Amino acid sequence: KQEVTQIPAALSVPEGENLVLNCSFTDSAIYNLQWFRQDPGKGLTSLLLIQSSQREQTSGRLNASLDKSSGRSTLYIAASQPGDSATYLCAVSEGAQKLVFGQGTRLTINP
Amino acid sequence: EPEVTQTPSHQVTQMGQEVILRCVPISNHLYFYWYRQILGQKVEFLVSFYNNEISEKSEIFDDQFSVERPDGSNFTLKIRSTKLEDSAMYFCASFLPSDRGGYGYTFGSGTRLTVV
Repeated sequence: KQEVTQIPAALSVPEGENLVLNCSFTDSAIYNLQWFRQDPGKGLTSLLLIQSSQREQTSGRLNASLDKSSGRSTLYIAASQPGDSATYLCAVSEGAQKLVFGQGTRLTINP
Repeated sequence: EPEVTQTPSHQVTQMGQEVILRCVPISNHLYFYWYRQILGQKVEFLVSFYNNEISEKSEIFDDQFSVERPDGSNFTLKIRSTKLEDSAMYFCASFLPSDRGGYGYTFGSGTRLTVV
């Protein structure tokens, strides 16, 4: 059974810092991995999708990497801003059937 | 950019009543899903739907729950005899697979269900 773990559970940094969020998964036979952002009481906004054959994806100040063999992904946020404050969720799929989510990292960027 | 639309955004119901949560997935997507998130907990998979039938369901998705795609555009989740513990945010999602890992899951903004 696939398990997804995100570390740290919460992170607070001053504005302008670069930061890394970590995600690990137990079964490396994944179809894809997706990072989402969730604001309090709101829905899930897709940030980046990494297909199983890819090693990284970039969008603006965000860069996500994938190492399937070690069961790890990282989300790198450059030059953090207060508007980046949210919960970041990592999720993996083993086919088109479903996503398995981590618990999330609650990020706070202090002005 | 195409969106998944969910209605209502918030539903309050009395314990024991039936509720229907509605979703309009992205039109060319092939897989449709319901997930739920109890306050403070992980997002949990409930059910996936493909080719007009359930393709996978979780242990949570028992006889209390059912899904339908009645008219080729709407996708509904029915919860019968609601219980206090059914209070959660319910998310609809859709997905278009490819031979390289798909084009990403798109989630709706959710329906917050409160059972009183």
